[in-house]
Amino acid sequence: AQTVTQSQPEMSVQEAETVTLSCTYDTSESDYYLFWYKQPPSRQMILVIRQEAYKQQNATENRFSVNFQKAAKSFSLKISDSQLGDAAMYFCAYRSQASYDKVIFGPGTSLSVIP
Amino acid sequence: SQTIHQWPATLVQPVGSPLSLECTVEGTSNPNLYWYRQAAGRGLQLLFYSVGIGQISSEVPQNLSASRPQDRQFILSSKKLLLSDSGFYLCAWLPQGMYSYEQYFGPGTRLTVT
Repeated sequence: AQTVTQSQPEMSVQEAETVTLSCTYDTSESDYYLFWYKQPPSRQMILVIRQEAYKQQNATENRFSVNFQKAAKSFSLKISDSQLGDAAMYFCAYRSQASYDKVIFGPGTSLSVIP
Repeated sequence: SQTIHQWPATLVQPVGSPLSLECTVEGTSNPNLYWYRQAAGRGLQLLFYSVGIGQISSEVPQNLSASRPQDRQFILSSKKLLLSDSGFYLCAWLPQGMYSYEQYFGPGTRLTVT
């Protein structure tokens, strides 16, 4: 079965600095999607970024970018120019194309932004 | 555009009482629907998901049940709540098929069992 691991339960970053959140996953499949979701204190889940496994190019969305290493099964999220509004729980998630009805979430990383 | 609603937003119930949480999706048809539970400061635990009316898959054995009486309605129920049922309940939907991408989440229901 697929698993998603986030080894950093908590992280902090100074405002305007850069931080990288780690995610590793375990799968024997070759076609899948990876996601980073943000959950601010309001607890609304918000999609930050998506990566298709067949794409070699790393996805970017404004200040958010990923480092997708398919062979290493690693999917890290880099937040540049951190802002106070980036403080949230961040969840890494995996969705297989074969078992496409289910999404597997990691345990989350709590990010604090220091003014 | 598609929207997802959950109610109630907050609920306080005594142990042993019944539970009914409702989730509805607008603006799409035949979505996959999901119920997750999240304990404070923790990750998401998938409870149930449904790929169609009357089709429910259970992920964890517990005293909760789910039903999908209509295409865009998903209900989470319990006959007798336990203290351990406290948590934040999230409903989500996903377009059918392998070529859809991410899930979309509702605003959640905060349940406190006293």
